[in-house]
Amino acid sequence: EAQVTQNPRYLITVTGKKLTVTCSQNMNHEYMSWYRQDPGLGLRQIYYSMNVEVTDKGDVPEGYKVSRKEKRNFPLILESPSPNQTSLYFCASSPYERYNEQFFGPGTRLTVL
Amino acid sequence: ILNVEQSPQSLHVQEGDSTNFTCSFPSSNFYALHWYRWETAKSPEALFVMTLNGDEKKKGRISATLNTKEGYSYLYIKGSQPEDSATYLCAHHPSGGYQKVTFGTGTKLQVIP
Repeated sequence: EAQVTQNPRYLITVTGKKLTVTCSQNMNHEYMSWYRQDPGLGLRQIYYSMNVEVTDKGDVPEGYKVSRKEKRNFPLILESPSPNQTSLYFCASSPYERYNEQFFGPGTRLTVL
Repeated sequence: ILNVEQSPQSLHVQEGDSTNFTCSFPSSNFYALHWYRWETAKSPEALFVMTLNGDEKKKGRISATLNTKEGYSYLYIKGSQPEDSATYLCAHHPSGGYQKVTFGTGTKLQVIP
């Protein structure tokens, strides 16, 4: 089944404790992206990647890191999480030939205490 | 328009009513405009990809139009049904394609049986 998976789906952590949210897609898509969703603010892009080893900042990259070592994986790293990073996170992927039509993962709800 | 704006923010309609909402985006630097449907507790799913001025797309009772010169797109739902209740998002992709994606904050539709 073609899909984007994210893990974990739910995470409660404490300020400063490094964490990684994994994202994997099995559709051989070139483009991958991370978003956060906050009430009243909609989906905001954190980072995106156009292909392996090619990443760039979205609108809200502060406090996050990403890497794209393999085409299928695009982990989101929070080196020192803070409470303002409490949010719902979505990973998405897209093939070049679909004008960036994105396929979303199930979401990760993160709470930073 | 410097940002992606959607109106109205929310909408309540009776079952059987037809409705429409608007997405406004920067008219310069256009590559594609996407509409997504986002049901509560699920992930956004793509409805339409629109790339050319004058584009009209249709899927069942839902259709969309695009005006890239003035920077707007309309989404229409004919004969609304309770299962149409969801948040409808638009996403603007600037020219060059694989750059930042900007989502609107969405229109939340509630169809009352």
